[in-house]
Amino acid sequence: SYELTQPLSVSVALGQTATITCGGNKIGNKNVHWYQQKPGQAPVVVMYRDSNRPSGIPERFSGSNSGNTATLTISRAQAGDEADYYCQVWDGSTAHFVFGAGTKVTVL
Amino acid sequence: QVQLVESGGGAVQPGRSLRLACAASGFSFSTYGMHWVRQAPGKRLEWVAIIWSDGNSKKYADSVKGRFTISRDNSKNTLYLQMDSLRAEDTAIYYCARVAVGIDVNAFDMWGQGTQVTVSS
Repeated sequence: SYELTQPLSVSVALGQTATITCGGNKIGNKNVHWYQQKPGQAPVVVMYRDSNRPSGIPERFSGSNSGNTATLTISRAQAGDEADYYCQVWDGSTAHFVFGAGTKVTVL
Repeated sequence: QVQLVESGGGAVQPGRSLRLACAASGFSFSTYGMHWVRQAPGKRLEWVAIIWSDGNSKKYADSVKGRFTISRDNSKNTLYLQMDSLRAEDTAIYYCARVAVGIDVNAFDMWGQGTQVTVSS
């Protein structure tokens, strides 16, 4: 089965840039989606298809995907960006939906 | 108001059954595929099952295949998850989520608030 690898945690200073990676075999050939989950809340999609922001998501969020790594970048990080972030793909070989383990972002 | 509201969770003994429901409102439920996704305490999101808009196509995660059944009633705008032969490892918050039709059918564009299922003797 397809596996996605994320760092457990990322820390970023207020106003600086946070980079969250999602590793997978030839993940650049897949569409990667990103979800933000704050404590006690349901996930919210923050990025579709590698680099497409849903309406209502700030331009500070951006994404890319190439080779074996997809990346979600949060520019000018704010306290409200503290959350767990999950990457997700569809594994065509099994027709299953796969999530990464999640990255906890802390804004210092 | 577009929303998904789960219900039916609770505490149950191993081997017993539970039926979850997800009431949809504010959108054309019958035109959307729907998922169940769960999250064990402190763990990652885990996809459980998908049912397509007409209810005829379904797919399950290996961890629940043969024990869980996803279904829907488009006349009631409601999604269901019948969970049989429950195990301790099924303990989780269960979310219903909507297929991101028109954006990417392999993404989830809306989630409910979840319902807690605890399997313990």
